[in-house]
Amino acid sequence: GQQLNQSPQSMFIQEGEDVSMNCTSSSIFNTWLWYKQDPGEGPVLLIALYKAGELTSNGRLTAQFGITRKDSFLNISASIPSDVGIYFCAGPPGGSQGNLIFGKGTKLSVKP
Amino acid sequence: EAQVTQNPRYLITVTGKKLTVTCSQNMNHEYMSWYRQDPGLGLRQIYYSMNVEVTDKGDVPEGYKVSRKEKRNFPLILESPSPNQTSLYFCASSSGPWAGYTFGSGTRLTVV
Repeated sequence: GQQLNQSPQSMFIQEGEDVSMNCTSSSIFNTWLWYKQDPGEGPVLLIALYKAGELTSNGRLTAQFGITRKDSFLNISASIPSDVGIYFCAGPPGGSQGNLIFGKGTKLSVKP
Repeated sequence: EAQVTQNPRYLITVTGKKLTVTCSQNMNHEYMSWYRQDPGLGLRQIYYSMNVEVTDKGDVPEGYKVSRKEKRNFPLILESPSPNQTSLYFCASSSGPWAGYTFGSGTRLTVV
């Protein structure tokens, strides 16, 4: 089946640094979603993207829908300790309704 | 408070003993879904439902059953659990096909 490839798998950064991560697919997606999962909790939706080239912000987080429609990017500016967690990209393969696949995640660690 | 509630949070059972994990949402969402999360494999969709009495298989449906008799409830049934179904399970719901899922807090299942 289709896969979403996230990179990097993990990041160790200093508080205050900016973070970039990405998600790629061999197929076109019409929607890109970014989630964050804290330890012991379910994933929480951060940003939803619906149009190629779209750039959307949520506080210090900014995500972009790649123009090829095969990738998406998430940036976090001025990281803080509570940014620690696992970030997932997700999308509906073939534009399917209800079927949502996830990347394997980028684990972010922030050193105070 | 808008939420997805799943029970139990923790469950230890023996091989072959039928079990049901309940899931309920109070947001009047049409879409509901079950995922399992395993180290190194990420979140994988088991089943999803587009509305009452409408369900479809995700990527890993083998060994699971679901039903959607009411809009708010979407139970996950393991007729004959096996140790390879030991995992962290999440129920989720969504207002639309590409709106992104809201996740419950998870059920950690151990099958011995």
